Amino acid sequence: AQSVTQLDSHVSVSEGTPVLLRCNYSSSYSPSLFWYVQHPNKGLQLLLKYTSAATLVKGINGFEAEFKKSETSFHLTKPSAHMSDAAEYFCVVSEPGTASKLTFGTGTRLQVTL
Amino acid sequence: KAGVTQTPRYLIKTRGQQVTLSCSPISGHRSVSWYQQTPGQGLQFLFEYFSETQRNKGNFPGRFSGRQFSNSRSEMNVSTLELGDSALYLCASRREQGAGGNTIYFGEGSWLTVV
Repeated sequence: AQSVTQLDSHVSVSEGTPVLLRCNYSSSYSPSLFWYVQHPNKGLQLLLKYTSAATLVKGINGFEAEFKKSETSFHLTKPSAHMSDAAEYFCVVSEPGTASKLTFGTGTRLQVTL
Repeated sequence: KAGVTQTPRYLIKTRGQQVTLSCSPISGHRSVSWYQQTPGQGLQFLFEYFSETQRNKGNFPGRFSGRQFSNSRSEMNVSTLELGDSALYLCASRREQGAGGNTIYFGEGSWLTVV
């Protein structure tokens, strides 16, 4: 069975400093991995996805993530946080043949302070 | 291009009632899936429909059902509502074919409160 573990439930950074949101995955197959963001009272927006092409994936709003098979990790980073980045972030996995059956992590709430 | 549209956005129901939620996928998208989001259980997959057929199903009781129409629009129904069914219900769509066909787009959800 596939699963993802988000290692931090809450991360707080100052505006202009780097962001690191950590995610480890478990999958029997070559997984597809995603990061989604959810702003308060909103739906989910796709930030980026990994589907076995380049291991360093660039997404929207300056976010990127690196797929590391040896560490089973897919951490999300951004060089410089902005106030508008404050939201809930979800690491998500799907397995081949079940592309619409996503398994979500428990989420990391990112707080950005002045 | 319009995104995934869900109606109603907010609703309040009484225990024992039933509810129907509607989802219009992005034009050209043929796969529609539903998720439940609660503070306790997080985001959980309910089911997926493709070409009017249920293709995948999560671990939810039979009170949760859905269907898809020929125009790819989908509805989900919850019968005999329980307090624990209070949640944000998210619909998502996927084109399925072509470049980016596996990218899943979510609607803003329907907030259901059961009292």
